[in-house]
Amino acid sequence: EAQVTQNPRYLITVTGKKLTVTCSQNMNHEYMSWYRQDPGLGLRQIYYSMNVEVTDKGDVPEGYKVSRKEKRNFPLILESPSPNQTSLYFCASSRRLQRGEKEKLFFGSGTQLSVL
Amino acid sequence: EDKVVQSPLSLVVHEGDTVTLNCSYEVTNFRSLLWYKQEKKAPTFLFMLTSSGIEKKSGRLSSILDKKELFSILNITATQTGDSAVYLCAVDRITRILYNQGGKLIFGQGTELSVKP
Repeated sequence: EAQVTQNPRYLITVTGKKLTVTCSQNMNHEYMSWYRQDPGLGLRQIYYSMNVEVTDKGDVPEGYKVSRKEKRNFPLILESPSPNQTSLYFCASSRRLQRGEKEKLFFGSGTQLSVL
Repeated sequence: EDKVVQSPLSLVVHEGDTVTLNCSYEVTNFRSLLWYKQEKKAPTFLFMLTSSGIEKKSGRLSSILDKKELFSILNITATQTGDSAVYLCAVDRITRILYNQGGKLIFGQGTELSVKP
C-alpha cells in the first residue's frame, strides 16, 4: 500500500531534549517536505527536499533540521525543542514536479508534539 | 511577503445547501494552486489549478482559478454531512526558475465547513 509513514504519532517531551520525528515513503517519490499546523495559521512549510542530498528551507525553518540521505526517508530533527514548537507536524511526498505534471501530495498521518 | 488568505474561516450549512469557499493569494513566482480536504487526519488532495478560467470538476465539487484577480473558489453543491472538514488552499511557488520547478508551498489558514443534517 502506497503510504507516508510518520513516527511517533504522539510525543511529549521537555525543553532542550533533542528529538527526531521520522518520515518514510514507499512510493519512490523525489519530493518530500515537512509542515507544521497550528490553529489560525494553517499549514506552514518547514523544510522540503527535491531529491537526495537536496534540501531547502520553507517558511518556518528556525529550530529545525532535516536530512535526506536516502530517497525514502526524510527525518525532522529538533536539536533543542522549545514550547513554541508544540504543534501538529505533517510529512508529505510527491513525484518530482515537472512542467505540467499534476502535483498530488501524499501526507503522513501527523505527529502531535508537545514540548513542556 | 507571500500570503494565501481563505474565507470564510468557518461556515455552517445544512445538507443540500451549496457553498463557495474563497482563496486569494499574493505570491511571487506562482506555479499552481491546490485544494485539499482535511478531516480528522492528514489532508487529501482535491484539485490542482494552473490556468485561469478552466473549471476542474469532481462530482459535486468544482474549482476555478482567476490569475488576473489572484483568487480561486471551491464550490460544493448539494452538500452532505460527509463534506464536513477543513478545506485548505495552497499555492506552489517556482523556486528554480530555469527548470520551472516548484516545491515551496504556502497554505492558507483553512475554512472549516460543518454540514448539519
